[in-house]
Amino acid sequence: GENVEQHPSTLSVQEGDSAVIKCTYSDSASNYFPWYKQELGKGPQLIIDIRSNVGEKKDQRIAVTLNKTAKHFSLHITETQPEDSAVYFCAQFGYRGGSNYKLTFGKGTLLTVNP
Amino acid sequence: DAMVIQNPRYQVTQFGKPVTLSCSQTLNHNVMYWYQQKSSQAPKLLFHYYDKDFNNEADTPDNFQSRRPNTSFCFLDIRSPGLGDAAMYLCATSRTDSKETQYFGPGTRLLVL
Repeated sequence: GENVEQHPSTLSVQEGDSAVIKCTYSDSASNYFPWYKQELGKGPQLIIDIRSNVGEKKDQRIAVTLNKTAKHFSLHITETQPEDSAVYFCAQFGYRGGSNYKLTFGKGTLLTVNP
Repeated sequence: DAMVIQNPRYQVTQFGKPVTLSCSQTLNHNVMYWYQQKSSQAPKLLFHYYDKDFNNEADTPDNFQSRRPNTSFCFLDIRSPGLGDAAMYLCATSRTDSKETQYFGPGTRLLVL
């Protein structure tokens, strides 16, 4: 299957704290897991991704970890700032053969960073 | 600087009146996608073009059609919009050798009266 479950649906933190969003996937053949940030009224923006041959990837204040055995991956944001407030979507890439493939998204997490 | 451009950003149409949304890209990517995103939900893939090959998702209603006259442009046609079609419509692109990495446009918000 191509199910992606994302938790929590909402997350509120104080500026400077860390935020963690977790996703679980079902397609064991998936090998690519991006995270998108969507601000109000805008399209999703790719912020970080990870492939199945690594367990962790970091880019400044954001990091993603992947546990292929357990089929879950997480987004970590440290030293949060008010401009980090947005909806965050995880996704998995599933290849179904030929030109048949798709990104399946989680339901999103609304992150609010309070000043 | 804009890489994936969608016009218009907001579109109001009447129930049953055909509407066309447009997407253009300056990335020269071979693959273009259309997603529907309803309020507080995840984007849902409608269909995509792999070069000129059209790939429809099984659960995309027949009411939704698409055209891709050239590499840069792709259109979403909604033949008879219903109230349930009000949503944000997102266009995305990717390279053929990196299909998983998709770049999204800003979206067109469609309102059906």
